[in-house]
Amino acid sequence: EDQVTQSPEALRLQEGESSSLNCSYTVSGLRGLFWYRQDPGKGPEFLFTLYSAGEEKEKERLKATLTKKESFLHITAPKPEDSATYLCAVLSPSGGYQKVTFGTGTKLQVIP
Amino acid sequence: DAMVIQNPRYQVTQFGKPVTLSCSQTLNHNVMYWYQQKSSQAPKLLFHYYDKDFNNEADTPDNFQSRRPNTSFCFLDIRSPGLGDTAMYLCATSRVPITDTQYFGPGTRLTVL
Repeated sequence: EDQVTQSPEALRLQEGESSSLNCSYTVSGLRGLFWYRQDPGKGPEFLFTLYSAGEEKEKERLKATLTKKESFLHITAPKPEDSATYLCAVLSPSGGYQKVTFGTGTKLQVIP
Repeated sequence: DAMVIQNPRYQVTQFGKPVTLSCSQTLNHNVMYWYQQKSSQAPKLLFHYYDKDFNNEADTPDNFQSRRPNTSFCFLDIRSPGLGDTAMYLCATSRVPITDTQYFGPGTRLTVL
């Protein structure tokens, strides 16, 4: 069974304190990995898609990387407005089709 | 701005009383999805429509049904809600099924009393 595990569950950072969130996965044949940001009481907002090991993508203070077993979301010099839950989701084959499996997320709090 | 809209944003219903949640989109996407997200849990895909083709996830309870009368609208019907159905229900859209980036609506928070 495909599994997606995100760590830590929660992370509290001081403003400007860089860190990384982890998404590890066990799937049979990764087709892609998505990162989303979810603010309280709202739907997830798309951030990045990564398709192959070694791929990297950046957007403002966020940088996503992918290996064969995990993905990292690096946050450089975070600001309070970066506080949110960050979800990863993996795309994998399933019975001739494809499916998306979400992790439970990392809740990030950035303190001024 | 093109977007995904869900109504209502909050819904309270009684145990066993049918409820319908609405989703509309202006993105003109072919695929519409319904997810259930319980507190501190991952979103769980219930089903999706690719144009008029309905695709049900194997573990979605029969209590959950969906309708897509046209490209822009999709409905989630819960025939006899139980207390365990209290959750956020998220609608999402994409151009093609599953592999494409999904764009989510703000969600409907359903409480079953």
